[in-house]
Amino acid sequence: LAKTTQPISMDSYEGQEVNITCSHNNIATNDYITWYQQFPSQGPRFIIQGYKTKVTNEVASLFIPADRKSSTLSLPRVSLSDTAVYYCLGRTDSWGKLQFGAGTQVVVTP
Amino acid sequence: EAQVTQNPRYLITVTGKKLTVTCSQNMNHEYMSWYRQDPGLGLRQIYYSMNVEVTDKGDVPEGYKVSRKEKRNFPLILESPSPNQTSLYFCASSFDGRYEQYFGPGTRLTVT
Repeated sequence: LAKTTQPISMDSYEGQEVNITCSHNNIATNDYITWYQQFPSQGPRFIIQGYKTKVTNEVASLFIPADRKSSTLSLPRVSLSDTAVYYCLGRTDSWGKLQFGAGTQVVVTP
Repeated sequence: EAQVTQNPRYLITVTGKKLTVTCSQNMNHEYMSWYRQDPGLGLRQIYYSMNVEVTDKGDVPEGYKVSRKEKRNFPLILESPSPNQTSLYFCASSFDGRYEQYFGPGTRLTVT
């Protein structure tokens, strides 16, 4: 199983950079690493996805080391609206069977 | 607008009364999936479908059924709901299981 482990919570101030690391146990060689954001009572929303090295979009960056056993989601200059739960997504050895990590609650304060 | 719709959004029912939660997507996605979310347990996959007529169990399939007769629809069926199925349910779709999933707004189910 591609079990994922991430911190339960992180606190930050507005304007700071937040980095959340997820460990992927037994990730398959052809697995992508995907991160989602979720606000209360809403469905998760895709943030970013990568396979190796670094991926950046308008919202975040994703850093994946060469061994791919972990990944770090980086949120630059967070604002209050970034307060949410962030999930990394792993995959078992079955193509369609997906397992979300427990999620990291990020709280941004002024 | 690309979207995943679920109905109903809220449902209160009694133990044993069969119910269906509908899910529909307009993005021509092959992959669809159902999740339940409970406090402290995160999102757990119930069933998924790689394409029409192909479905498989996720981590928590007991007490649920699904069908995928058309590409756009993936209903979740509770034949005999029980209180432990009280939860927030999300449907999602994706081009295939590897890529970005689009989630529906959720269905909050209460079984008394």
